[in-house]
Amino acid sequence: EVQLVESGGGLVQPGRSLRLSCAASGFSFDDYGIHWVRQAPGKGLEWVSGISWNGGIIGYADAVKGRFTISRDSAKNSLYLQMNSLRREDTALYYCAKDIRVRTVDDDPLDYWGQGTLVTVAS
Amino acid sequence: SYVLTQSPSVSVAPGQTARFTCGGNNIGSKSVHWYQQKPGQAPVLVLYDDRDRPSGIPERFSGSNSGNTATLIISRVEAGDEADYYCQVWDSTSDHYVFGTGTKVTVL
Repeated sequence: EVQLVESGGGLVQPGRSLRLSCAASGFSFDDYGIHWVRQAPGKGLEWVSGISWNGGIIGYADAVKGRFTISRDSAKNSLYLQMNSLRREDTALYYCAKDIRVRTVDDDPLDYWGQGTLVTVAS
Repeated sequence: SYVLTQSPSVSVAPGQTARFTCGGNNIGSKSVHWYQQKPGQAPVLVLYDDRDRPSGIPERFSGSNSGNTATLIISRVEAGDEADYYCQVWDSTSDHYVFGTGTKVTVL
């Protein structure tokens, strides 16, 4: 059974940092691209960042580029999101989600999602 | 950046057909994916590449995509279909995934 379990969320002051993790199981982690998607309270879905199956291609939404860093660790079957210089508008539920197809580099729908980890940026 | 526009809400009676759209510039040239999100739950992929269903998604869900509009169709609507629905595409110009604004589907 495919599972994605996010962790690392919490309350953080503006300007501080936080690192999110996503533990993957039930599939060949090294074969799939994986993404972070967030949802502010009462709002829609917003793609944050994605990393290809081999880590060779990385993308960021304009709103987080230069502040967030995505990475993956094959040995731990884990995805990470290092979030620096956090702003109040980064407050959201952060989901990790995997590509549906093996070893693609773009334009792939997301077939499994975790339950999310909540990040609240407030003083 | 590429923008996807969805109607905020749609109401439909049980057993009827629900159609809701996702508008974008020349969206017909892109592959459109659709997600269902029920309150308090993570999104679920219900349609991808305009019209393909992941395993476990009933045949009642279908789609089309042409010109500037993609459409998700739910036939024989059930109470369990009540949810928010989001369309999504890949924007090759910006190398970004883009989600639509979402449509709240209410089953009367």
